[in-house]
Amino acid sequence: KQEVTQIPAALSVPEGENLVLNCSFTDSAIYNLQWFRQDPGKGLTSLLLIQSSQREQTSGRLNASLDKSSGRSTLYIAASQPGDSATYLCAVRVDYGGSQGNLIFGKGTKLSVKP
Amino acid sequence: DAGVIQSPRHEVTEMGQEVTLRCKPISGHDYLFWYRQTMMRGLELLIYFNNNVPIDDSGMPEDRFSAKMPNASFSTLKIQPSEPRDSAVYFCASSFGVGSPLHFGNGTRLTVT
Repeated sequence: KQEVTQIPAALSVPEGENLVLNCSFTDSAIYNLQWFRQDPGKGLTSLLLIQSSQREQTSGRLNASLDKSSGRSTLYIAASQPGDSATYLCAVRVDYGGSQGNLIFGKGTKLSVKP
Repeated sequence: DAGVIQSPRHEVTEMGQEVTLRCKPISGHDYLFWYRQTMMRGLELLIYFNNNVPIDDSGMPEDRFSAKMPNASFSTLKIQPSEPRDSAVYFCASSFGVGSPLHFGNGTRLTVT
């Protein structure tokens, strides 16, 4: 059974710092991995999608990597800003069994960037 | 594109009443998911559809919950009878195939008193 873990659960950094959020998963049979952002009281916004054949994706100050063999992904945020404060969730898309196509979510990392 | 549209945004109801949540996925998307989010349990999958067919409903809490997708542009999640422990934010999400991003609606905040 696929499980997704995000460490740390919460992170507080000063503005301008570069930071890394971690995501690990137990089964490498995935289509892809997706990173989301959720602001308080809001829905989830897709940030980056990495296909299983890819190693990384970049969008602006965000860079996501994927090591499928080790079951790990990282989200790198460069030059953090207070507006980056949110909860970041990763999810893997299952590529096996009766739940093929399903997404399994981690519990998220709550990021706070202090001015 | 208008994105995934959910209604209502907020629902307050009394215990025992029937609640119907609605979702319009992005046009052309063939996967539709219903999630529930609470502080205690985080984001939980309730059910998902592929081409209007339910694929996995193992997350549906009990017989009080039911979901339908009568066509590619509409889905409902019904709770009958509702209970206070059903209070949560319910999200609908859709995607095109398994290789494209999942897009979420803004959610329905349900409060059962």
